[in-house]
Amino acid sequence: GQQVMQIPQYQHVQEGEDFTTYCNSSTTLSNIQWYKQRPGGHPVFLIQLVKSGEVKKQKRLTFQFGEAKKNSSLHITATQTTDVGTYFCAAPDNYGQNFVFGPGTRLSVLP
Amino acid sequence: DTGVSQNPRHKITKRGQNVTFRCDPISEHNRLYWYRQTLGQGPEFLTYFQNEAQLEKSRLLSDRFSAERPKGSFSTLEIQRTEQGDSAMYLCASSPMGTSGANVLTFGAGSRLTVL
Repeated sequence: GQQVMQIPQYQHVQEGEDFTTYCNSSTTLSNIQWYKQRPGGHPVFLIQLVKSGEVKKQKRLTFQFGEAKKNSSLHITATQTTDVGTYFCAAPDNYGQNFVFGPGTRLSVLP
Repeated sequence: DTGVSQNPRHKITKRGQNVTFRCDPISEHNRLYWYRQTLGQGPEFLTYFQNEAQLEKSRLLSDRFSAERPKGSFSTLEIQRTEQGDSAMYLCASSPMGTSGANVLTFGAGSRLTVL
């Protein structure tokens, strides 16, 4: 079935440093979503990317969908302690009915 | 609307007991999903409803697990004869029936199950 991989598994950064997480699939994706889960919380939707090469920005967060629609990235500029959490990418399964989540990248931000 | 509501938030049970979780989705959302999440892992898909019809079940969902959405509104997930390996956070999510590629999942706070 559909699988998405994410790297790195963990990332520790000093506050103010940048952070990037990558999501990869072996198959072409119709779309990809990103979610954030704070410690002790539940996943919260951040963004959806649909078009090849699409780039979307939300304040300090930049999301990109690869040209081949097989990979995606999330980049955070000048991290803050409020960015702490686990970032998941999610892609439709082979039937397009539900979403398969990656294993996530856990971000720690040291003040 | 207060979002997706799940209860109980926490359940501790002894191995072999049955447990039931309830999910109340956002009222105008047609689709309802159940996921399971263990520590340090991403949510794993269990099953999915469109209105009252259960359209897909994961192979993770053994015959001890059953889910219903009788009137296309709230849903229940029952686990019979619980095992320690069932200990996890059970997440419910709902989404509107959108155009292709437009479904956005809104998750509830989850029901944490601990099997002793």
